[in-house]
Amino acid sequence: GESVGLHLPTLSVQEGDNSIINCAYSNSASDYFIWYKQESGKGPQFIIDIRSNMDKRQGQRVTVLLNKTVKHLSLQIAATQPGDSAVYFCAERGWGYQKVTFGIGTKLQVIP
Amino acid sequence: DAGVTQSPTHLIKTRGQQVTLRCSPKSGHDTVSWYQQALGQGPQFIFQYYEEEERQRGNFPDRFSGHQFPNYSSELNVNALLLGDSALYLCASSPGLGEYEQYFGPGTRLTVT
Repeated sequence: GESVGLHLPTLSVQEGDNSIINCAYSNSASDYFIWYKQESGKGPQFIIDIRSNMDKRQGQRVTVLLNKTVKHLSLQIAATQPGDSAVYFCAERGWGYQKVTFGIGTKLQVIP
Repeated sequence: DAGVTQSPTHLIKTRGQQVTLRCSPKSGHDTVSWYQQALGQGPQFIFQYYEEEERQRGNFPDRFSGHQFPNYSSELNVNALLLGDSALYLCASSPGLGEYEQYFGPGTRLTVT
């Protein structure tokens, strides 16, 4: 299948542990941030999003934290499972626009 | 309900040739965006179509052009192919120009030799 994980930072996590994936963004005008998951051979899949007027948002097993002061975004995955193995991208978008700017991905490897 | 579909899955072309990639948006979606994803990198925005017009464009040369049809499907055309055009081309659709979630297709892997 398609490999999108070559030369990417890699995070190895034991199954059942929590994962934290970090991302720095550069555009202070961005007001909407998104985390995507991309499995081999597939397109990016939406995980969770957060607006710039928030600093935390929770989903099912996932939490996104936004620190606008230092332009930092993180994705926390609770009780990581083998099915979570993929490349994760943070992305940003300006207000009113749909053009999404993707950051550098992180490859998450879950060790059974 | 079919999601975003793209064709072909894989394509091999020679430098200088032209290629056309196709995308059918998710049912109920009328806005289509195209992205280029080089190996090991994040997708890069090429352009977006809504109401059969190009609405936004990323930093790509005029060799990259597109079209949207009345049924909302879209084509991406690349002329005078370069080796550097080898990538995964992703199509994403959404139900409008507003701040809606984009749904991505599986992509077309283009190899230029």
